[in-house]
Amino acid sequence: AQSVSQHNHHVILSEAASLELGCNYSYGGTVNLFWYVQYPGQHLQLLLKYFSGDPLVKGIKGFEAEFIKSKFSFNLRKPSVQWSDTAEYFCAVSGFQKLVFGTGTRLLVSP
Amino acid sequence: DTEVTQTPKHLVMGMTNKKSLKCEQHMGHRAMYWYKQKAKKPPELMFVYSYEKLSINESVPSRFSPECPNSSLLNLHLHALQPEDSALYLCASSQDRTVEHGYTFGSGTRLTVV
Repeated sequence: AQSVSQHNHHVILSEAASLELGCNYSYGGTVNLFWYVQYPGQHLQLLLKYFSGDPLVKGIKGFEAEFIKSKFSFNLRKPSVQWSDTAEYFCAVSGFQKLVFGTGTRLLVSP
Repeated sequence: DTEVTQTPKHLVMGMTNKKSLKCEQHMGHRAMYWYKQKAKKPPELMFVYSYEKLSINESVPSRFSPECPNSSLLNLHLHALQPEDSALYLCASSQDRTVEHGYTFGSGTRLTVV
């Protein structure tokens, strides 16, 4: 069965710092990978997704993620975070008929 | 229309009440989902509907009863809930059950059982 691990549960950064959130997955088949963001009090929004092709995926709001098949990883990056990036970030992998989510990383960006 | 609309946004119900949560999408998606999200936790799958038929029930207690009247609507009927059922209930849809393109989520119904 597919599973997703997010090792950073809480991350605190200052504005303009660079961000990298780890995501490792376990799935034997063809993977589709996603990062979702949930701002305080809001619903889940898709940041970016990977199906195939270029392993470096660019998403909204300046986020990108790199799929490294050999490491079973799909880490999320942003070169310079803003206070408005404070949110919870979920990595997810699609299996048949459902998305499986990681436990989430809570990011706090201090001004 | 690229949204999933959920109503109501907030619901407070007693343990003997019967209530329903509603979800609607007009994107032509043929798979719809109910997820439950407790505070500071990831969403947990409850039910999957594919082409209006229930295809996954993740061992959800019978006090939660889903219904898919047509391809655009998904309901979740609630009866005799417990306080521990208080959570954010999220509806989502996808093009089909392969979930290749991810989900579109609704904003959720925040349920409090008293």
